[in-house]
Amino acid sequence: QVQVVESGGGVVQPGGSLRLSCETSGFTFSAYSMHWVRQAPGGGLQWVGLVSSDGSEKYYADSGKGRFTISRDNYKNSLYLQMTRLTAEDTAVYYCTREGTYGARYLDVWGRGSLVTVSS
Amino acid sequence: SYEVTQPLSVSVALGQTARITCGGESIGFKNVEWYQQRPGQAPLLVIYRDNNRPSGITDRISASNSGNLATLTISRAQAGDEADYYCQVWDSNTLIFGGGTNLTVL
Repeated sequence: QVQVVESGGGVVQPGGSLRLSCETSGFTFSAYSMHWVRQAPGGGLQWVGLVSSDGSEKYYADSGKGRFTISRDNYKNSLYLQMTRLTAEDTAVYYCTREGTYGARYLDVWGRGSLVTVSS
Repeated sequence: SYEVTQPLSVSVALGQTARITCGGESIGFKNVEWYQQRPGQAPLLVIYRDNNRPSGITDRISASNSGNLATLTISRAQAGDEADYYCQVWDSNTLIFGGGTNLTVL
């Protein structure tokens, strides 16, 4: 079945870096744009950014521009989020999501999320 | 930057119809997506492209979008419909979520 599974979360000190991974299965990964979405404790959903199916286009939310980098490996069916210069405001559950294909930017597959805690 | 606004909370009596709104300037010209997030779970897409249900989503859920308001409608509300609901649009290379609406079924 279609599945995305995040990993790599944990506790990191302010100013530190962390790399999240998302392993996918059950669909042709190279055909889909992929997004990261995060959710702070008790908060709402916040978009982090996206990468196009072939990796040629990337867009980021202002909150992560210059600090976060999204990449993908279509041979490994995997998505990545490299985060640097982390602050307490980056504490959140990070979801790996798949973009749908019917001509709009909707997210039709979500992982269970990976918790990132930025704390000293 | 574009903003979408949702009420913080909506209450509905068991078996009645709940309506959750998502306001934005000329939102009727955009595609609006809706997600349901039950406590402790990941979000689930329930409506895409204004009024389309993914496979497996109950037909008690429907949606509309016109003018400055998009609306998610849940008919014959059940206890299992209690959740947070988020609308979402795409604008200027940015994916934007509403703040979310907590639905309580009384």
